[in-house]
Amino acid sequence: TQLLEQSPQFLSIQEGENLTVYCNSSSVFSSLQWYRQEPGEGPVLLVTVVTGGEVKKLKRLTFQFGDARKDSSLHITAAQPGDTGLYLCAGFYGQNFVFGPGTRLSVLP
Amino acid sequence: NAGVTQTPKFRVLKTGQSMTLLCAQDMNHEYMYWYRQDPGMGLRLIHYSVGEGTTAKGEVPDGYNVSRLKKQNFLLGLESAAPSQTSVYFCASSWGREGTQYFGPGTRLLVL
Repeated sequence: TQLLEQSPQFLSIQEGENLTVYCNSSSVFSSLQWYRQEPGEGPVLLVTVVTGGEVKKLKRLTFQFGDARKDSSLHITAAQPGDTGLYLCAGFYGQNFVFGPGTRLSVLP
Repeated sequence: NAGVTQTPKFRVLKTGQSMTLLCAQDMNHEYMYWYRQDPGMGLRLIHYSVGEGTTAKGEVPDGYNVSRLKKQNFLLGLESAAPSQTSVYFCASSWGREGTQYFGPGTRLLVL
C-alpha cells in the first residue's frame, strides 16, 4: 500500500472546464508539495504548503492543505491544453518526501 | 546554469551487465537523490545524499549502489542488472531536506 493516494488516476476534460484532483493519506505531513511532469521531462515544483488549512493560488491553480495536514487538493479553473501533464503530490514523512502515484490530466482543445 | 543533468539519456542492458548513471548539478546543493519511476507507482527513492561523502538508503535500495565523491556529482550503479530494474531513473537536488527538489530530465533504462 502506498503512503499517498491520488485521485482520479486519469482525467480527460475539454478546454475551459474546471477540475479538482486529490491527494490523500492517513499520515500527517510537515509539508506537502505539488509537482507537474510533462512527457520526457522531470517533475517541476508548483507549490509547497506547510500549514494546516493553508490555501495557495498560482494563477488558475488553487492548492489547499487539509486542516489535519493529511490531505491536499489542487483545483484548476478554466483548464487549458498547456495544463496537460502528470500531477504528483509529495508529502514530507520521516526524513524524505514520499510521492503519490500521480494524476494524469489531458486537456483537449 | 544547466541545473541538473543526467547521462546517459537512454540505455539498453542485458541481464547481468553493469552500468553507472551520472548526475551532475551546478546549484551547489547539499542534498541529492536518485528515484525510479514506474507506471502507477510514482517516484520511489532509491538512495540519497545529505552532503559530499555521505550516502543513505531510501525506500528501494536493493540492487543499487551510489557514491558522492564530489558535491556536484551523484553516481548510481547497477552491479548486475535485472529486468525488474527496467525503469526511468531521475536524479534531483535540493538546498535543504524539505526544500524544492530540482529534477534532471531522466534516464530511460531497459534491461533485457
